Amino acid sequence: GQSLEQPSEVTAVEGAIVQINCTYQTSGFYGLSWYQQHDGGAPTFLSYNALDGLEETGRFSSFLSRSDSYGYLLLQELQMKDSASYFCAHYNQGGKLIFGQGTELSVKP
Amino acid sequence: DVKVTQSSRYLVKRTGEKVFLECVQDMDHENMFWYRQDPGLGLRLIYFSYDVKMKEKGDIPEGYSVSREKKERFSLILESASTNQTSMYLCASKEGQGASGNTIYFGEGSWLTVV
Repeated sequence: GQSLEQPSEVTAVEGAIVQINCTYQTSGFYGLSWYQQHDGGAPTFLSYNALDGLEETGRFSSFLSRSDSYGYLLLQELQMKDSASYFCAHYNQGGKLIFGQGTELSVKP
Repeated sequence: DVKVTQSSRYLVKRTGEKVFLECVQDMDHENMFWYRQDPGLGLRLIYFSYDVKMKEKGDIPEGYSVSREKKERFSLILESASTNQTSMYLCASKEGQGASGNTIYFGEGSWLTVV
């Protein structure tokens, strides 16, 4: 089957670094995406990895290892506004975009 | 900026009613999606469409149908609403066919309560 696994919640303090992991199972893989969703809001795109390695966008980085079926989102210099839910997602061969269950990040002062 | 607009933000419907959730996107995207989001379950794909008049079942299509008569509009239909369909519904769109084009854009969501 197709599934993505990520931790349900993570807590960190302002200024710290946090890593949110995502492991996946899929038949046909077309890259791993990350989305951020604040309470009551719509998910917004953060990053995408089609190939192995690290993609950096400001304070956020995303990593993919296709051989390990594993990726992570790295958030640096955490700010209170980073408190949100983070979802990993991937496309399958049929163009379906499937999401993980989401990781709720709480940033404490 | 891409805009995905869901016509209703909050709805309350009675069990057995027919419910229409409308979604319009303004970027000429080929692909449109309907998800529902429930606590602890993440976003689950109901239906998606990769072209006008085309539709594909997602992971939880039971109890739902969709309509894509025009490229910009994708409607989700609950033929006979039930209380277990109380949820937040998210519409999304993306450019490109299949898995190409990595960013999808979401609407603000429609909170449906079935009583």
